[in-house]
Amino acid sequence: QVQLQESGPGLVKPSETLSLTCTVSGASISSYFWSWVRQPPGKGLEWIGYIYDSGSTNYNPSLKSRVTISVDTSNNQFSLKLSSVTAADTAVYYCAKTASMGPFDYWGQGTLVTVSS
Amino acid sequence: DIQMTQSPASLSASVGDRVTITCRTSQSIGRYLNWYQQKPGKAPNLLIYAASSLQSGVPSRFSGSGSGTDFTLTISSLQPEDFATYYCQQSYSTPRTFGQGTKVEIQ
Repeated sequence: QVQLQESGPGLVKPSETLSLTCTVSGASISSYFWSWVRQPPGKGLEWIGYIYDSGSTNYNPSLKSRVTISVDTSNNQFSLKLSSVTAADTAVYYCAKTASMGPFDYWGQGTLVTVSS
Repeated sequence: DIQMTQSPASLSASVGDRVTITCRTSQSIGRYLNWYQQKPGKAPNLLIYAASSLQSGVPSRFSGSGSGTDFTLTISSLQPEDFATYYCQQSYSTPRTFGQGTKVEIQ
């Protein structure tokens, strides 16, 4: 049974960097593609990017200049960093597993990150 | 980016009703179309992948069809636990994109 769990601060100040980690169990982080998806309160879903092959990445162009996704194979985790955050980055952030051209088949429960001073 | 247009944005239905939600894409994506159900405060849950394949554990009252640019999610007999928001998503190209969602409410 694949399980994903997000962790990280729930409050980030404007202009600072949002940092989240997703811990994966039941699957090897070296296999599959691993994504971050976010959902502002009351709104729809936005794909942020994914990492695969233990280090290759693909980011949403709308966020590319501010996003870094990395992997820690020794701890079976992957991480998200989003720099220069504003209130518009307030959202529930989900980590998810996917195949290369497949769906997001396993999701974490999500973590709310609020950007506020 | 591939634009995803879902309709309707919301609908009211009764238990036992047949419900159909449509998703149209801005360019042809073959069958690289997936459907999710999301309940308040929960992560999305995969229902249908590759346009018509039922994810393991999902009830058979859910079905998907379509290819190219036009896709449909059908719930054959709506159950109380099906009241939720439904999203389509394309996995044909990056950036991955989602429809805006269809909220299914109790009539």
